[in-house]
Amino acid sequence: RKEVEQDPGPFNVPEGATVAFNCTYSNSASQSFFWYRQDCRKEPKLLMSVYSSGNEDGRFTAQLNRASQYISLLIRDSKLSDSATYLCVVNGQGNDMRFGAGTRLTVKP
Amino acid sequence: DAGVTQSPTHLIKTRGQQVTLRCSPKSGHDTVSWYQQALGQGPQFIFQYYEEEERQRGNFPDRFSGHQFPNYSSELNVNALLLGDSALYLCASSLRRQETQYFGPGTRLLVL
Repeated sequence: RKEVEQDPGPFNVPEGATVAFNCTYSNSASQSFFWYRQDCRKEPKLLMSVYSSGNEDGRFTAQLNRASQYISLLIRDSKLSDSATYLCVVNGQGNDMRFGAGTRLTVKP
Repeated sequence: DAGVTQSPTHLIKTRGQQVTLRCSPKSGHDTVSWYQQALGQGPQFIFQYYEEEERQRGNFPDRFSGHQFPNYSSELNVNALLLGDSALYLCASSLRRQETQYFGPGTRLLVL
């Protein structure tokens, strides 16, 4: 079993749609969780950290379920500019970060 | 505010050669982590440097080595290159080994 698993997609949605991505992780001792965004042939960029209480940043909402070892990202009112690959990231043993393979999102006009 | 920089941007090598990649962390950061990202995969952790020492290492062979300089910049060295080493090599910086990391644009390595 991979340490961090994501549905690879692709998710193809129209502008204005709401889309949700899920991620599961295997290390129950993990304490830090993030979502990164990666555009084609670019570096990953931090989208948001994920806190136990859940957190929201504009159109983006992240949630964590420690009991199920599950992280989610919800994007509301999708924009064309949201098209990217979304990477789920969980800390491993210590400070090394374990990345999922990413979920690809395409938002269409 | 200078972000993370990496050089070179692209590199072509042949099997068996050696390569050195360079990274300068974001201004104010003192920790550098290196990752390998193969096509269609997420980044894989290679190692992390802090206070000029390798602090943590992922599942990579000894052919992968590194160094951190007093100014916090870092190098990644790969010896005896294999075709499978072709990938995007990403450097990420953080402050005092905190988990929030910021990535550089990467170096694309092609091994022929």
